[in-house]
Amino acid sequence: EAQVTQNPRYLITVTGKKLTVTCSQNMNHEYMSWYRQDPGLGLRQIYYSMNVEVTDKGDVPEGYKVSRKEKRNFPLILESPSPNQTSLYFCASSFSWTGDLSYEQYFGPGTRLTVT
Amino acid sequence: RKEVEQDPGPFNVPEGATVAFNCTYSNSASQSFFWYRQDCRKEPKLLMSVYSSGNEDGRFTAQLNRASQYISLLIRDSKLSDSATYLCAVNSYSSASKIIFGSGTRLSIRP
Repeated sequence: EAQVTQNPRYLITVTGKKLTVTCSQNMNHEYMSWYRQDPGLGLRQIYYSMNVEVTDKGDVPEGYKVSRKEKRNFPLILESPSPNQTSLYFCASSFSWTGDLSYEQYFGPGTRLTVT
Repeated sequence: RKEVEQDPGPFNVPEGATVAFNCTYSNSASQSFFWYRQDCRKEPKLLMSVYSSGNEDGRFTAQLNRASQYISLLIRDSKLSDSATYLCAVNSYSSASKIIFGSGTRLSIRP
């Protein structure tokens, strides 16, 4: 089954304790992305990756890191989480992007993170 | 001005009604447009891509108006199961590889 998986689905942690949220897709997609969703603010892109070893900042990258060492995986790293990073996080992937065209994205089930 | 804007709603309509909502975008060079559906606390799921010629899928019709820079979603014969938040997405002003989402329009269908 074609899918995007994220782990963990729920996480409660304390300020400053490093954490990683994993994301994996089995569709051989080139493009992967991380979003956070907060009430009233919608989905905001944190980082995206156009291919292995190619990443770029989205609109809200502060406090986050990513890596793309393999095509299927795109982990999100919070080196020193803070309470303002409490949010619902989604990973997404799409086939690619070409010139001016983007392609539809497929989302993981989400990770609900609480930082106390 | 936000790159992508939607009326947050909620739109509260009776079952069987036709409902439409728009999504405006600021980048006249945008080429890719999408509608996603999101149920409460779940992941967004692609509803349809929006092409220049419009797109229809059963009860759902999406249109693109480049002159006025908006996309629209029309739902005919609405069902209770259509209750959800509808998100539009447009590729970014700064880069086609970035997708900007609207904040979503909440739709509630009542019996």
